[in-house]
Amino acid sequence: GNSVTQMEGPVTLSEEAFLTINCTYTATGYPSLFWYVQYPGEGLQLLLKATKADDKGSNKGFEATYRKETTSFHLEKGSVQVSDSAVYFCALGGLNTGTASKLTFGTGTRLQVTL
Amino acid sequence: EAQVTQNPRYLITVTGKKLTVTCSQNMNHEYMSWYRQDPGLGLRQIYYSMNVEVTDKGDVPEGYKVSRKEKRNFPLILESPSPNQTSLYFCASGELGANTDTQYFGPGTRLTVL
Repeated sequence: GNSVTQMEGPVTLSEEAFLTINCTYTATGYPSLFWYVQYPGEGLQLLLKATKADDKGSNKGFEATYRKETTSFHLEKGSVQVSDSAVYFCALGGLNTGTASKLTFGTGTRLQVTL
Repeated sequence: EAQVTQNPRYLITVTGKKLTVTCSQNMNHEYMSWYRQDPGLGLRQIYYSMNVEVTDKGDVPEGYKVSRKEKRNFPLILESPSPNQTSLYFCASGELGANTDTQYFGPGTRLTVL
């Protein structure tokens, strides 16, 4: 079955530091890959996505590249801000066959950015 | 504003007292789903629905019921809540078709069962 493994947190960084949150997956077929972000007290928001190998998703300075050869989708940001403090979830979706499929989530990585 | 709403946002109840958490979306999405979030486990799917009157079990359906009588609403029903259902619950919706895997989440309902 499908599964997602992401690095355990919390990750604590100083403002303007470089961020990497690792995510690897196991899936049959060719899933879509996602990063969702959960700010304190809020629901999950889609941060970025990639639907096929070598695609790069990007949003708000965050990037992740769909690497089929290493089954990875690591999240990166060149310079984090205090406002980026949140929990980040890596997720994969099933085959896009025209029917909806559930998202399989990682356990989440808490990021704390300090001044 | 396009959104998924849930009510209540917080609920404390006692074992065995039936409760319903409502979920509504205004994006005309066919697909709706319920997840629970627990520490160290991420989000796990409870039930999902691909259209009106069509519902299916997710990974952890035991102890829950759902209904989909209207496209916009997808209530989660706990007929006899137990303490192991204490959790943070999220409703989500999405389109069927080219963007089937992009889901939009509600703000969450924190449930405590005593």
